[in-house]
Amino acid sequence: QSALTQPRSVSGSPGQSVTISCTGTSSDVGGYNYVSWYQHHPGKAPKLMIYDVNKRPSGVPARFSGSESGNTASLTISGLQTEDEADYYCCSYAGSYTWVFGGGTKLTVL
Amino acid sequence: QVHLVESGGGVVQPGGSLRLSCAASGFTFSNYGMHWVRQAPGKGLEWMASIRYDGSNKYYADSVKGRFTISRDNSKNTLYLQMNSLRAEDTAVYYCAKEGANRDLDYWGQGTLVTVSS
Repeated sequence: QSALTQPRSVSGSPGQSVTISCTGTSSDVGGYNYVSWYQHHPGKAPKLMIYDVNKRPSGVPARFSGSESGNTASLTISGLQTEDEADYYCCSYAGSYTWVFGGGTKLTVL
Repeated sequence: QVHLVESGGGVVQPGGSLRLSCAASGFTFSNYGMHWVRQAPGKGLEWMASIRYDGSNKYYADSVKGRFTISRDNSKNTLYLQMNSLRAEDTAVYYCAKEGANRDLDYWGQGTLVTVSS
């Protein structure tokens, strides 16, 4: 049950795009198409942004997109807005009804 | 709409016990798996435990296995986390989350703070 690997921080200017990577193993990210991404503003409830690697729940802007290659998943945010500044976490199903999160990435919108 | 409200957090001494509750509303509670996730100060989210929709199976992270017990009362739309043998490293905000249809956690509560300190 080792945490998935994410960069500690990323940054971008308004209007730019950023990509956050999430590296796991064949026992989690690479083994299942069940990667999800969460946006977390401190003091608030985490919010589901992407599920099933690349699907967006209703209400999540199309600026948010997900992808996966092998054991690495990625979240791309296009057209950055100031309100996108938050912590982002990837999460993967890891079999036997267990899940594993990434260490989190702090997104700064400059 | 879906609403999850955690309660029961507080300050407890090392070795002590605490029971957290999560009151659910806005969906058919008995149809969905539920989870507990925590965030220690300055750290990331950590998945801790899950329970099937009917309570038939429960699963735990290695860090809490044997000390924490997840349970649910579908008649009361409430999820529980019994925490025993608490350690300083269990200090965290504890969130309950509803499992979606795609192995995701589609709704979360605001969390309750547990502080383990003498």
